[in-house]
Amino acid sequence: GAGVSQSPSNKVTEKGKDVELRCDPISGHTALYWYRQSLGQGLEFLIYFQGNSAPDKSGLPSDRFSAERTGGSVSTLTIQRTQQEDSAVYLCASSSGPSAGKLFFGSGTQLSVL
Amino acid sequence: KQEVTQIPAALSVPEGENLVLNCSFTDSAIYNLQWFRQDPGKGLTSLLLIQSSQREQTSGRLNASLDKSSGRSTLYIAASQPGDSATYLCAVRPANDYKLSFGAGTTVTVRA
Repeated sequence: GAGVSQSPSNKVTEKGKDVELRCDPISGHTALYWYRQSLGQGLEFLIYFQGNSAPDKSGLPSDRFSAERTGGSVSTLTIQRTQQEDSAVYLCASSSGPSAGKLFFGSGTQLSVL
Repeated sequence: KQEVTQIPAALSVPEGENLVLNCSFTDSAIYNLQWFRQDPGKGLTSLLLIQSSQREQTSGRLNASLDKSSGRSTLYIAASQPGDSATYLCAVRPANDYKLSFGAGTTVTVRA
């Protein structure tokens, strides 16, 4: 596609429910990143994919968070048993490869856990 | 661990004034540095990317400089316009890693 697409743009859920956030990167981009942006805080790295592999999962906050990428394209970030502190904007970015410089970000998913 | 600091946190200027945004980082072993713009409720848009071997990059009214040895980058925006109002973020990619470390951003308001 023309840009990085994320869905849904907004998600309101109840505490304890599971949520899935989707990222569709720019076609042909092999590197994909998930970041989290909480109110008043900077961007927090969550996970990086090169192709379908995730060499760096160090940023996932807990074992309630998981992510996968299939076909070297779409990625899904899953949060199980959501907590109120999970409320944030989840941003996805892609680049043409691990050595590429420029990152292209999607518009994010605003997650609100009530 | 790379720490990225942006000063000031917020800036308000009259239209036409030049903007100077500062970014400092603690580890000079970087691969590149990017400046992003973020509008409220939106994602990030890459403005300028400076490779570690470069000293500056320019695009239109924007100019970014990099002094790796002192751990500093500056984003200059000439002749500011109300449409430049946004949050500007600096991000550093380490030489031996893929993940970017972001500053907290500078929120700019340009008054008409």
